[in-house]
Parts: sequence; structure tokens; C-alpha cells
Amino acid sequence: EVQLVESGGGLVQPGGSLRLSCAASGFTFGNSWMTWVRQPPGKGLEWVTKINQEGNEKFYVDSVKGRFTISRDNAKNSLYLQMNSLRAEDTAVYYCATEAYWRHDFWGQGTLVTVSS
Amino acid sequence: QSALTQPPSASGSPGQSVTISCTGTSSDVGAYIYVSWYQQHPGKAPKLMIYEVSKRPSGVPDRFSGSKSGNTASLTVSGLQAEDEADYYCLSYGGSNSFVLFGGGTKLTVL
Repeated sequence: EVQLVESGGGLVQPGGSLRLSCAASGFTFGNSWMTWVRQPPGKGLEWVTKINQEGNEKFYVDSVKGRFTISRDNAKNSLYLQMNSLRAEDTAVYYCATEAYWRHDFWGQGTLVTVSS
Repeated sequence: QSALTQPPSASGSPGQSVTISCTGTSSDVGAYIYVSWYQQHPGKAPKLMIYEVSKRPSGVPDRFSGSKSGNTASLTVSGLQAEDEADYYCLSYGGSNSFVLFGGGTKLTVL
């Protein structure tokens, strides 16, 4: 059974940093593109970033470029999202998901990030 | 990077059919087959329902179908059931500039 479990969310002040993790199991993690998608409270889904199998191709939505960094450790079956210079508008539930040709088959349960003073 | 346009709400009675539209441009929806649809119940993670415009993943009922005409993709739910009440989101590849675009979401109500 495929499982994706996010962790690392919480309350952080504007300008602060947070690192999210996503632990994967039940599939060959190293063979899969991975992505982060976020959802502000009561609002729609927004794609944030994606990374290829080797970790050397990364793409970001414009609003997080230069502030967020996606990475992965295939030996640990783990995906990460380092978030710096956080803003109030980054407040959202962050989901990790698998990706194949812009289709997201499997999703984690999400972790809530709240940016507030 | 503009979102794709979906109606905010849709509704139908049990047993009826309802279609949700997802309008983009000739640079995203109109240009690629990479359109997918996701169902999200309150407090839950999204679930893939349709990919590559009209393909259904294993386990998704054939009551769910997808299509595309020009710059507009559509999700049709036939034989509506109470459990179909949820939010539905479309996604499209947006090319090298926009990359990944979601629709704003449609709340489907089963009357």
C-alpha cells in the first residue's frame, strides 16, 4: 500500500523558516517524480514545486522562487521542502504527492503551516 | 501563472448527470493531453479521478468521465450518488512558463 506521510508543519512567525518532510513507502520512491501542493484554509489547490527522480531537476511556482527549496533523499525514501522568508500568504495545508506526466496518483494527508505573529 | 476557470458550484439530484467545466487557453488545456481531475471531500486529501483528459485510474467508477473540446475540459458524473458530493479540481500542464495549473475548484452538491 502506498503511503505518504507529511510532517514538520506548525506555527511560524513572518520571515521565519520551516522544513517539511514527506516519508514515502509502498512504492519505489527513487523512480518517481514528486511534488508539493498547498491549500490555504477554505481555498483551492495550488501547485508549489516538483522534483525529478535524481533530484537534479526542480521547478517552482513564481511566488515561492528564491524562498522555497525542494529536495529528496532516495536512500531514506523522503521528500523535503525547506521554506524560508515565510509570509502570511504561505499559510496552507501542504500535501506531498507522486507525479507522473502531470497526474498525481497518491497524496499524503497534509501538514498545516501557519504563518502569523 | 493564472488558474484555470471552473464554475464555483454545480448540483444535481441522485441519479442525474452533471458536467463541470474547466476553461484554460490554447497554451495549456487546449495544447496538451495532460488534464486531470481530483475529488476532495472535506478535511481529506485530493483523489485522482481522471487523467490525460479521459482516462480513469483503477478503482474509479465508470460513472466518472472526462473530455476536452478546444480550451475547455469537462468532467461528467453520471448516476449521481450522495458520496459524489465533494469539491472537484482540474489540473493542466501549462507549458514551460506556467508549468502546472489548477482550476479554482467546483463544489458539487447532490440535492
